[in-house]
Amino acid sequence: NAGVTQTPKFRILKIGQSMTLQCAQDMNHNYMYWYRQDPGMGLKLIYYSVGAGITDKGEVPNGYNVSRSTTEDFPLRLELAAPSQTSVYFCASSYEGQGVFSEQYFGPGTRLTVT
Amino acid sequence: AQSVTQPDIHITVSEGASLELRCNYSYGATPYLFWYVQSPGQGLQLLLKYFSGDTLVQGIKGFEAEFKRSQSSFNLRKPSVHWSDAAEYFCAVGAKSSGDKLTFGTGTRLAVRP
Repeated sequence: NAGVTQTPKFRILKIGQSMTLQCAQDMNHNYMYWYRQDPGMGLKLIYYSVGAGITDKGEVPNGYNVSRSTTEDFPLRLELAAPSQTSVYFCASSYEGQGVFSEQYFGPGTRLTVT
Repeated sequence: AQSVTQPDIHITVSEGASLELRCNYSYGATPYLFWYVQSPGQGLQLLLKYFSGDTLVQGIKGFEAEFKRSQSSFNLRKPSVHWSDAAEYFCAVGAKSSGDKLTFGTGTRLAVRP
C-alpha cells in the first residue's frame, strides 16, 4: 500500500494564482482531512470529509475549497492565493471506527509559498 | 474553550537518558488523547492514544503516556532515548461533546545529543 500520497511536494505561487493540491489514499478509508501547519503552531483543520460526496468545514476553511467525488481522492483548491496561505499542507485519512478520533494516517505534506 | 498546551518548545536530551514531554489540556468532558510524532520532512505518525480504561498506555517505539485526570495531563515518556527519536512531538485532544474535532498542541521539538 502506498498509504496517503500528496502532490506536489513543493510549490511557489504568485498572489492571486490558483492551484489544486492533490491527495489520494489506497486504504479504503472513509474519512479524509486537510490540515495546514504554520511554523511554531499545531495543525489546523481546513476541511474534512466523512465519505464520497460529503465534506465539511474545519477550523480555518476560508480561501479553500474541497470536493470528494471518490473514496480515494480529496483535492484541496486554492482559488486566489494569498501570502497568508504560505504553509505546509497535510492530507490525512482514517477508517470510520471512531470517526475523527480514529488513528489518522498522514501524507508527507506539500510546502506552499505564496509571494 | 478547549485548549491543548505543550509547555516545552524545544528539549535536548542525551542518548540513553529518559524523556518526558508534557501535555496539558482544558476540556469539559473526558477527552480522547493522542501523541503523534513527526520526523523531519514527513507526515505525522500516531505513537499512542487514550480513550478509556487503564490510564497508562503503551505505544510504538517504546513510548508510553499516562493520563492524569486530576492534573489534566497526558505526558509522554520513554525510559531510554535513541538518536532516531529526534523529531517533533504533538499532543492532540478531542471530545465528542466538543464536536468532531481534534485540537493539536504546538509541538515539542526533541533533539538527541550523542
